[in-house]
Amino acid sequence: AQTVTQSQPEMSVQEAETVTLSCTYDTSENNYYLFWYKQPPSRQMILVIRQEAYKQQNATENRFSVNFQKAAKSFSLKISDSQLGDTAMYFCAFMKLGPGNQFYFGTGTSLTVIP
Amino acid sequence: GAVVSQHPSRVICKSGTSVKIECRSLDFQATTMFWYRQFPKQSLMLMATSNEGSKATYEQGVEKDKFLINHASLTLSTLTVTSAHPEDSSFYICSAPWGGMNTEAFFGQGTRLTVV
Repeated sequence: AQTVTQSQPEMSVQEAETVTLSCTYDTSENNYYLFWYKQPPSRQMILVIRQEAYKQQNATENRFSVNFQKAAKSFSLKISDSQLGDTAMYFCAFMKLGPGNQFYFGTGTSLTVIP
Repeated sequence: GAVVSQHPSRVICKSGTSVKIECRSLDFQATTMFWYRQFPKQSLMLMATSNEGSKATYEQGVEKDKFLINHASLTLSTLTVTSAHPEDSSFYICSAPWGGMNTEAFFGQGTRLTVV
């Protein structure tokens, strides 16, 4: 079974500062994908960034980057130059390749950007 | 990009009645869709996997007879909450995999169900 753990239920950051959200996962799979999703107050799930497990290079997407440590099964999200619109719940998710490509979500981190 | 539309966004129903929630992939075909339930300030809990043309696969602990899932076409999956009770009140979200090897997922806007 796959488990995803987010150990920070709530975090806050000053506008324009940098914040890192933690995520660890447990799996015996070798081929999988990892994701960070953002859920703002509208409740719409929005993809922030994706990482293929077979790639050693950390994914980046504008102000968002990840630190993927496969051996340690760690997948943290760094948000640079935080903006007020970044305030949201952030979910780390694991997807193994296979029938249906099922997602497993962490418990979420509520991030508040303080003006 | 790919869009998944979920309807209705909000619904209030009386105890004992049934409610149907629709999930549509608007510009792509989805042989599989996922239904999640999300309690306030909690994560998404997978309820079932909807399979086009065959029976849905339910997660352990989810009542098949209460949460009926139908995936009659490649663009539409429905979740019917039967004989709804106040404890069924929740936020329900669908998603559909997309992309090469289905390695991405697009989510519907969610449905807030309130049973009174």
